[in-house]
Amino acid sequence: QSVLTQPPSVSGAPGQTITISCTGSSSNIGADYGVQWYQQVPGSAPKLLIYSNINRPSGVPDRFSGSKSGTSASLAITGLQAEDEADYYCQSYDNRLSGSYVFGLGTKVTVL
Amino acid sequence: QVQLQESGPGLVKPSETLSLTCTVSDDPNSDHYWSWIRQSPGKGLEWIAYGQHNGNKYDSPSLRSRVTISLDRTKNQLSLRLRSVTPADTAVYFCVRGSGHYTRVGFDLWGPGILVTVSS
Repeated sequence: QSVLTQPPSVSGAPGQTITISCTGSSSNIGADYGVQWYQQVPGSAPKLLIYSNINRPSGVPDRFSGSKSGTSASLAITGLQAEDEADYYCQSYDNRLSGSYVFGLGTKVTVL
Repeated sequence: QVQLQESGPGLVKPSETLSLTCTVSDDPNSDHYWSWIRQSPGKGLEWIAYGQHNGNKYDSPSLRSRVTISLDRTKNQLSLRLRSVTPADTAVYFCVRGSGHYTRVGFDLWGPGILVTVSS
């Protein structure tokens, strides 16, 4: 169990748009702390996709976009491609117990 | 280009101390958050601790009693010591660079990770 809740899996056909949700609480996302998203291909380290809710690091395609509202955040992937099949994790800061960085348990994206 | 590489034993006995190092190349005046993050099948990604070149250090409340992190500026080396390990500490351990304000840190550079198994 994690303080950030993600759906275990999401799937879509090539070219479609999918959305992954990340639900937190008033001690993390709802406290206006930044939400980050990571992509992890099996056998590799995670890769930062989105930082501070909506920003993409250099080199990340604009097919990936982030949003945040209240105690939740979302990652959208438009024009889904086979190479997008991976695990996706959200991450934020949590102010309980003097503070910590927390992750969701991840969402497996399958391209049908 | 900055690259990170974790090193250390892949097998540690229960109750012993896990020790890992990572060489980091960085501007000593930077305010990056040099972190250890681990990943186990049961608990997903877990942030352990960070150290900064300015001497700041901070660790996860859940692991604080067992963790020591250090950043040697002369050697550009990040180290982790995790005491009294149990099989639940079996995980892939990543050396990671964090950037940004401390409430909005994004972990933007990762080492390949090292699998550490706790077993007798």
